[in-house]
Parts: sequence; structure tokens; C-alpha cells
Amino acid sequence: LAKTTQPISMDSYEGQEVNITCSHNNIATNDYITWYQQFPSQGPRFIIQGYKTKVTNEVASLFIPADRKSSTLSLPRVSLSDTAVYYCLVGDGKRGGSYIPTFGRGTSLIVHP
Amino acid sequence: AAGVIQSPRHLIKEKRETATLKCYPIPRHDTVYWYQQGPGQDPQFLISFYEKMQSDKGSIPDRFSAQQFSDYHSELNMSSLELGDSALYFCASSLVMGQDSPLHFGNGTRLTVT
Repeated sequence: LAKTTQPISMDSYEGQEVNITCSHNNIATNDYITWYQQFPSQGPRFIIQGYKTKVTNEVASLFIPADRKSSTLSLPRVSLSDTAVYYCLVGDGKRGGSYIPTFGRGTSLIVHP
Repeated sequence: AAGVIQSPRHLIKEKRETATLKCYPIPRHDTVYWYQQGPGQDPQFLISFYEKMQSDKGSIPDRFSAQQFSDYHSELNMSSLELGDSALYFCASSLVMGQDSPLHFGNGTRLTVT
């Protein structure tokens, strides 16, 4: 399982774009990169997943460079409700095989008015 | 859309008592995961089930056990409760087991041991 490293905390202001980078130097060929968001006292919520290049959905974008040793979650125009902890997960990509989704130290994002 | 349902939402127990937490996965999801999250900590993997069979175990104490039933719901049984067991317990389900199948979490059970 690839180890991930993220900033412990970040601050931003409403309306700004926030980029959270996750380092995963030991990522394996079959590994996917998955991001979750967690609000206090709630279960984590899936945000986005990617394998390479760029992925975009209605809430975020995920940028993955060619070497895949890092990834950046981009949140456009954040609001106060985006204040949460963000987790980057990287793991075994064997479909149907054993898989343990492991949450490391996430990034606590605080959005200020 | 149906979500993962956990019950109860809150549970208060005394030391050395037992507790049972229940999880109802999203219909047609064949994989269930249990996590423990202490105050200010990150979710820690406890145990997982795939097609009603135990798949993996993480940092789960021997005092804890879990199973998945024929209807795919799962129960986490905790005995000889200790103060340190006070935490949020989350259940998650996924369509299949594998990292390309995102986890869907319930809202958790907050266990307080006094």
C-alpha cells in the first residue's frame, strides 16, 4: 500500500480556488488515487477518483502528473461549507481482490469568510 | 438514493458492558468495512467482509467481533468495553471489493463508555 503525505492544514477564503497536494512516491502501477471529504461527526464522503492525467466532476478536479508520484485535488471557488478534512487514499488496484482502504493523516481545510 | 444505515446513532455503555452496532449497506453492495475514529483522529480500519465472508482484519481488539448476515447487513459486537473504546464507529459499503469501487459511509455510531 502506497504511503501518502498531505499538508496537515490549510486556510483559504470564500471564493478562492484551493489546491491540496498529496505525495505518494511509492504508488504502484495498478493503484488508483481516491479523495474523500469528512465533516465533523460524519462519515467520509467520496469526492473523486483518478488514475492518470486529469479527472473532473461537479465538485472537484484531480490532477495527476505523468509520474503519478503526487496528485492535486482542486476545489474551485470554495465556500464556508467546504471546511472539512480531506483524505487522499492510494492503494491496491486489484479488482475483486483483498483491499484495505487506509486513511492516513488528512488535510484540515478551513475556509474563512 | 439509498445510503448506508447505521444504528444506533448514539450509544452509552458502562465499562465491561457489551455493545452491538448494526450496519445496513447500500442494496447490491457486496462489501462492508468497519472503521473506528477516536476524537481528533483519522478513521482506523477494523474489519471487512466480502460476500458475507470476512476478508481482512485491521487493528481490531480480540474483544470485538463482527459478522455479515445473509441479507448483507453487518454487526460489530464489542464486549468488555473499556473507556478507550469511546469513539465514532463507521460502516462503509462498496459495490465490489477493490479500490476502483468507492466507499459509501454511514453517519456512524457514537459510542460513549463511562
